[in-house]
Amino acid sequence: DAGVIQSPRHEVTEMGQEVTLRCKPISGHDYLFWYRQTMMRGLELLIYFNNNVPIDDSGMPEDRFSAKMPNASFSTLKIQPSEPRDSAVYFCASRPGQGRYEQYFGPGTRLTVT
Amino acid sequence: GQQVMQIPQYQHVQEGEDFTTYCNSSTTLSNIQWYKQRPGGHPVFLIQLVKSGEVKKQKRLTFQFGEAKKNSSLHITATQTTDVGTYFCALGRAGTASKLTFGTGTRLQVTL
Repeated sequence: DAGVIQSPRHEVTEMGQEVTLRCKPISGHDYLFWYRQTMMRGLELLIYFNNNVPIDDSGMPEDRFSAKMPNASFSTLKIQPSEPRDSAVYFCASRPGQGRYEQYFGPGTRLTVT
Repeated sequence: GQQVMQIPQYQHVQEGEDFTTYCNSSTTLSNIQWYKQRPGGHPVFLIQLVKSGEVKKQKRLTFQFGEAKKNSSLHITATQTTDVGTYFCALGRAGTASKLTFGTGTRLQVTL
C-alpha cells in the first residue's frame, strides 16, 4: 500500500495568493482528516470527512480556508487569500473506519507564506 | 482549540536509560492513542487504549490507561537512539471518538 499521499511536499507563496493542498487517502479508508502543525499551536484538527461528507469543520480557522472531498480518493484544502500566519505543516490523515480508530498520516505539506 | 498538556515537554537521556511521558485529561475519555513523530517526519500510530486500567506492551514500550480513564503514560525501557522523536497522546472523547485532540507532545533526545 502506498500510504496517504500529499502534494506538494513544499509550497512557498506570497501573501494574498491562493494555495491548494492535495491529499489521496489510503484506499478503502472511510475517514479523512486535515491537520495543521506549528510550534506555537501544536497539531490541530482543521476538518474531517466521513464517506466524503464533511462532519466537523470547527477547527477551520476562518473563511479563507475551505476543504472539499469530491470522491473517496481525493481531497483538497484551499487557502484564499493566504497570509504569513498560515505558514505551517499541513497533514492529511485517513482512518479505516469499521471499528478501527487509528489514523495514518501523510508526509505533510510544508507551507511558507512570505 | 484546547491543548492537552503532556509532561515533560522535553527529555534528554543517555542511551540505556528509561523514559516516561504522561498525558492528562480533565474529562473522562473513551480512548487514547499514542503516536510517534520523528524529526522532519509525520505522526505514526503506535497504539490505542480503550479499557480502564489497560496496560499494553510493544517490546520496550509500555502503555498504560488510568483507572479513571483520564490519564495515560508511555514508558520506554532502556532507550535507544532509534527512540528519538516526539511522542504525542491523542484523546478520543465519548460521542466524538472520531475526533482526536492531540497533546502538546514530549520530545525525546537520546545520546550515546
